[in-house]
Amino acid sequence: GEDVEQSLFLSVREGDSSVINCTYTDSSSTYLYWYKQEPGAGLQLLTYIFSNMDMKQDQRLTVLLNKKDKHLSLRIADTQTGDSAIYFCAESVRKSTDKLIFGTGTRLQVFP
Amino acid sequence: ETGVTQTPRHLVMGMTNKKSLKCEQHLGHNAMYWYKQSAKKPLELMFVYSLEERVENNSVPSRFSPECPNSSHLFLHLHTLQPEDSALYLCASSHSGTGEGYEQYFGPGTRLTVT
Repeated sequence: GEDVEQSLFLSVREGDSSVINCTYTDSSSTYLYWYKQEPGAGLQLLTYIFSNMDMKQDQRLTVLLNKKDKHLSLRIADTQTGDSAIYFCAESVRKSTDKLIFGTGTRLQVFP
Repeated sequence: ETGVTQTPRHLVMGMTNKKSLKCEQHLGHNAMYWYKQSAKKPLELMFVYSLEERVENNSVPSRFSPECPNSSHLFLHLHTLQPEDSALYLCASSHSGTGEGYEQYFGPGTRLTVT
């Protein structure tokens, strides 16, 4: 079946690195995504990785993909208070329609 | 600003009312989606339109009725809702069937409260 799991909460000190983890079940996923949702707002696409890549870096963001273990992580370097939000992992499942399966989201809280 | 707008941003309605949510995308996409986001639950995909044709309907109650008059606009018509339908309703759009990445771009959502 299609399932994406994330831990619910993460709390880090400002300036430290944050690592948000995600596991997924569909081995045929072609793309995996990270979205950010701030309070009262929709989901904002942060970054994505193609399934034949192991790592992607984009400024403070590093995505690591372990396809064998179906594990995806998002590392945020030098975490700031403005990074406090809910982070959603999603996998693309291309069957009859283009479909994203989302995890429950990880609430990141950054404290000074 | 993601190029996807939704109106209204907030809506309070009684169980006997009829209302509509509107979504508009300015990204040249050809697929649009409605999602429901409830507290402590994963994002639920409700409807998918590709090239203005409904291609997925995930067992959504008939009190929710989508309409996609063209590739830039998507509506969700609501009638005789229940209090458990209170949630954030998110619209998204993407390219479809082009072999590109399937990333979806979301609007800010409509916060619906059913009294």
